[in-house]
Amino acid sequence: EVLLLESGGDLVQSGGSLRLSCVASGFTFSSYAMTWVRQGPGKGLEWVAGVRDSGLSAYYADSVKGRFTISRDNSKNTLYLQMNSLTAEDTALYYCAKVSSSSGNTGGMDVWGQGTTVIVSS
Amino acid sequence: AIRMTQSPSSISASTGDRVTITCRASQDVSSYLAWYQQKPGEAPKLLIYAASTLQSEVPSRFSGSGSGTDFTLTISCLQSEDFATYYCQQSYSYPQTFGPGTKVDIK
Repeated sequence: EVLLLESGGDLVQSGGSLRLSCVASGFTFSSYAMTWVRQGPGKGLEWVAGVRDSGLSAYYADSVKGRFTISRDNSKNTLYLQMNSLTAEDTALYYCAKVSSSSGNTGGMDVWGQGTTVIVSS
Repeated sequence: AIRMTQSPSSISASTGDRVTITCRASQDVSSYLAWYQQKPGEAPKLLIYAASTLQSEVPSRFSGSGSGTDFTLTISCLQSEDFATYYCQQSYSYPQTFGPGTKVDIK
């Protein structure tokens, strides 16, 4: 079974840091691009960051650029999101998603985790 | 960043209805367009990618069309399990972006 399991969400003070993890199973993790997508309370989906299969190319939403870092460890089948300088606007449910291509720009996000909740208190 | 818009923002429909949702990109995204369905409390589900390719195991009542800047998602015969929010997403360029969503609820 193809699964993504996120962890690391927590309540953190404004200005603080957090690292999210996403462990993948049931597919060849190193062959696919991966993304983080978030959803604020009562809001729509927001693409946050993406990384190619190799981990050598990473991309960010303007809202998180310079504060968040996406990375992956293909030997551990794990995706990460390091979040620094958090603000209340970062409060959201963070989903990890597999892209059905190595590059990340074709095929859509075909596997999603259940999400991990980040709450930033001011 | 490419801005995605959707219309309508919400639609009330009955089981058996044909429903069409429109998505527009602020610039050409070719066919790099996907549609997702999200039900309350659940993760999004991929319905269509490459503008018109149905994801595996998605019912054939769902279809997508369009290219460039204008796209549509059509549900040919609405079923009870289709009441949800639908999002379009472009992957033509980074940062990738989603539309604001269209909520389909029961009339």
